[in-house]
Amino acid sequence: SQELEQSPQSLIVQEGKNLTINCTSSKTLYGLYWYKQKYGEGLIFLMMLQKGGEEKSHEKITAKLDEKKQQSSLHITASQPSHAGIYLCGALDYGQNFVFGPGTRLSVLP
Amino acid sequence: NAGVTQTPKFQVLKTGQSMTLQCAQDMNHEYMSWYRQDPGMGLRLIHYSVGAGITDQGEVPNGYNVSRSTTEDFPLRLLSAAPSQTSVYFCASSSAGPPYEQYFGPGTRLTVT
Repeated sequence: SQELEQSPQSLIVQEGKNLTINCTSSKTLYGLYWYKQKYGEGLIFLMMLQKGGEEKSHEKITAKLDEKKQQSSLHITASQPSHAGIYLCGALDYGQNFVFGPGTRLSVLP
Repeated sequence: NAGVTQTPKFQVLKTGQSMTLQCAQDMNHEYMSWYRQDPGMGLRLIHYSVGAGITDQGEVPNGYNVSRSTTEDFPLRLLSAAPSQTSVYFCASSSAGPPYEQYFGPGTRLTVT
């Protein structure tokens, strides 16, 4: 089955700094989804990538899917305290089974 | 438009008790699913449904039952609660096909003693 790994597990950055979170798959990805979870709350959809080399941006968050479609990165520019939370990547496994990575916990210090 | 709602928000059960976690969505989504979230393990899919009357098992289905009699509701039943089922449970829904943007409920925090 599909397995997703994320790195780093946790990240503490100073406000204003850039940061990158990685998601690596054991298989070719046919759709990679990024979600954000605020502590104690449900997940919020950020963006989805489907094509090799695809890049999407939303406000200060940019996500890329590599050409081989086995790795994705999420980049935050000029981080703010509102970016703090847990970032999870997800992908469709066989059939309708959806799997998530373990998450990256981001803290942004003011 | 309430999105995905879950009840209760918190629950404490004793080993062996049964209960039902409720999930409802008002977006007319065909696909609904239940996940559990445990520290260090991310979210794992328990059961999912692609439409009323159709359910299937996810990664960790043992100890849980589901049914989907309507498009709106997707309850999760714990048959005989065990401490290993202590977790945070999330319900999600999405349109039947891509893009698989899933909408998540706020979660139910369950403790089994």
